[in-house]
Amino acid sequence: GQQLNQSPQSMFIQEGEDVSMNCTSSSIFNTWLWYKQDPGEGPVLLIALYKAGELTSNGRLTAQFGITRKDSFLNISASIPSDVGIYFCAGVDDKIIFGKGTRLHILP
Amino acid sequence: GAGVSQSPRYKVAKRGQDVALRCDPISGHVSLFWYQQALGQGPEFLTYFQNEAQLDKSGLPSDRFFAERPEGSVSTLKIQRTQQEDSAVYLCASSPPRLAADQPQHFGDGTRLSIL
Repeated sequence: GQQLNQSPQSMFIQEGEDVSMNCTSSSIFNTWLWYKQDPGEGPVLLIALYKAGELTSNGRLTAQFGITRKDSFLNISASIPSDVGIYFCAGVDDKIIFGKGTRLHILP
Repeated sequence: GAGVSQSPRYKVAKRGQDVALRCDPISGHVSLFWYQQALGQGPEFLTYFQNEAQLDKSGLPSDRFFAERPEGSVSTLKIQRTQQEDSAVYLCASSPPRLAADQPQHFGDGTRLSIL
C-alpha cells in the first residue's frame, strides 16, 4: 500500500532555531496536510496544501507541496517551547495516509 | 464544546471482552473517520462514513471490528473479543459538509484502549 517516509524521526534543537522536516512518497497525492499532535490529544491541522508547487504559511510555519506531488516539507522559524510535539504529514488520495511523525524536542 | 468529542477517554478491558467507543462529530459534519494509532506511530485509517453510509471499511483489521453511524451523527466503533494487539489510541475525525476526502479533518482527543 501507499506509505509516507517522514524525516527526521526526531529532532533536538535549541529554542530560537529554525526547523525543517519533510515527507516523501513513492506515489502521487492530490493534497498534502501537516498536523501537530501533543501528548494525550488528537492531531491538529496546521497547513493544507492543494496544488503542486504551492507554498503556504501559517504564522511561523511554512509548508510546500512538491512539484512532483510526491513530497512536501514543513519549516518552523524561530522555534519556541510550545512547538514541542509530534508533527505528521499526511497525503490525501481516496483516503488519508499519515507518516510516522517527526518528534520535535527543544533543549533547555 | 464545538470540537469532536470521544468517550471514554480511557478504557481498560480484559482480553476477550467486547468494547464500544463513541464519537460525537462536529455538528453538521457529513464525513466521519476512525483511525487506530499505535504507540509511536501515525494514525492508520480504519473506516469512513458519509452521513450514515459506511463508504470505506478497508482499514478494519479483522471482522472483530465493527463501526456504525445509524443516524448520520454519532458513531460507535465496536471491537469484539478484544486481543492485546488491539491496544492503541482510537481517533475519530470529522470534516465539513463538502463530500470529499480531501477536506481537512478535525480530530477528537481519542480513546486510549488497553487490553490486559
